Amino acid sequence: DAMVIQNPRYQVTQFGKPVTLSCSQTLNHNVMYWYQQKSSQAPKLLFHYYDKDFNNEADTPDNFQSRRPNTSFCFLDIRSPGLGDAAMYLCATGVGPADEQYFGPGTRLTVT
Amino acid sequence: GENVEQHPSTLSVQEGDSAVIKCTYSDSASNYFPWYKQELGKRPQLIIDIRSNVGEKKDQRIAVTLNKTAKHFSLHITETQPEDSAVYFCAGSFGNEKLTFGTGTRLTIIP
Repeated sequence: DAMVIQNPRYQVTQFGKPVTLSCSQTLNHNVMYWYQQKSSQAPKLLFHYYDKDFNNEADTPDNFQSRRPNTSFCFLDIRSPGLGDAAMYLCATGVGPADEQYFGPGTRLTVT
Repeated sequence: GENVEQHPSTLSVQEGDSAVIKCTYSDSASNYFPWYKQELGKRPQLIIDIRSNVGEKKDQRIAVTLNKTAKHFSLHITETQPEDSAVYFCAGSFGNEKLTFGTGTRLTIIP
């Protein structure tokens, strides 16, 4: 029944060691989003794909990249994680403008 | 621009009482306003939403009101229960597929 799946749920990486987080969906939604959420703060949008069109937020660091090889999958690559990148990373999907976003369970990233 | 302000940041109410959380926005192009509930360690989940052509929407103990002229919308929870304790986020959609989130309200229900 899971509609938005994120793997792994918990990820520990070393400072500067690249890490990839994955998201998949069974909803066939056009839009996939990546958010960063730090404790008790609102989710912060990093970027999103509308179909194959990539949309980067202006304040997203270059350290963060994304790939969407097909409709179902989207990846978040953190090229050189710093201590400040420790957070919950949430993937979400949506049909399009002015509609609900469906969130995955998140990946909690720890940087040592 | 796209800005959503949310108040209060924390709210404690006695079990059985009502809770009200308010959000204001600045962009008149906004047309969709969802409310998400996030329990500790879990994903945000939609609890109710409203579109700009509607003034009020209710779902059991939860209601949302929208005042387009004043550019504010509110979440109302009646007969609060301990399981209502969570962080609540309002959001707005401003003519595109993105959501702008409010800063969140931590609601605590006191038994």
